[in-house]
Amino acid sequence: KAGVTQTPRYLIKTRGQQVTLSCSPISGHRSVSWYQQTPGQGLQFLFEYFSETQRNKGNFPGRFSGRQFSNSRSEMNVSTLELGDSALYLCASSLAGGQGDIYGYTFGSGTRLTVV
Amino acid sequence: KQEVTQIPAALSVPEGENLVLNCSFTDSAIYNLQWFRQDPGKGLTSLLLIQSSQREQTSGRLNASLDKSSGRSTLYIAASQPGDSATYLCAVRRRGSTLGRLYFGRGTQLTVWP
Repeated sequence: KAGVTQTPRYLIKTRGQQVTLSCSPISGHRSVSWYQQTPGQGLQFLFEYFSETQRNKGNFPGRFSGRQFSNSRSEMNVSTLELGDSALYLCASSLAGGQGDIYGYTFGSGTRLTVV
Repeated sequence: KQEVTQIPAALSVPEGENLVLNCSFTDSAIYNLQWFRQDPGKGLTSLLLIQSSQREQTSGRLNASLDKSSGRSTLYIAASQPGDSATYLCAVRRRGSTLGRLYFGRGTQLTVWP
């Protein structure tokens, strides 16, 4: 079966621009989470969506936002990009992300964002 | 708050050695613990998932144990191979309102040389 698909794989943006990243979860998975990975900070949690509702949010500024559609696909948006936003952005999906979910999370290959 | 620590940060071993990677977490109220592998510049590949009620899980040459009361997990790799070279990450899911979130360690960077 198809895994978690993230598009695009690579992105170069200029400081001050905005960017939208996309994540298609495994079919049937309803929970989608986003993480930022940098060499200095490791993996940091951005937010988690379940059935189009944001259930959890990490400690990122309001420039980082997301949404989930009725088909469970999710998008993440970063406005007014800063050099420090350069990172690998990873999306993960899970069947339910809650009680009774015994299968854990499956990650996509990530989107490498470079801000210049 | 859940904090996850992985020791050692880096490990370099010759091919064929058996090795142990360690993961510790501060809050024992976890739902499950998952071990991942990450190759440079790539996403995370799930290796093993241990539910809070389990003590260990095995997959091929990999064995992961969980001691929830002491806040520790170990990943045992038998007969290591150069293809095992990667960064290994452990992540825990807490019970309660943050159940949909994974808390990650910083990882152990493993190099297996021929």
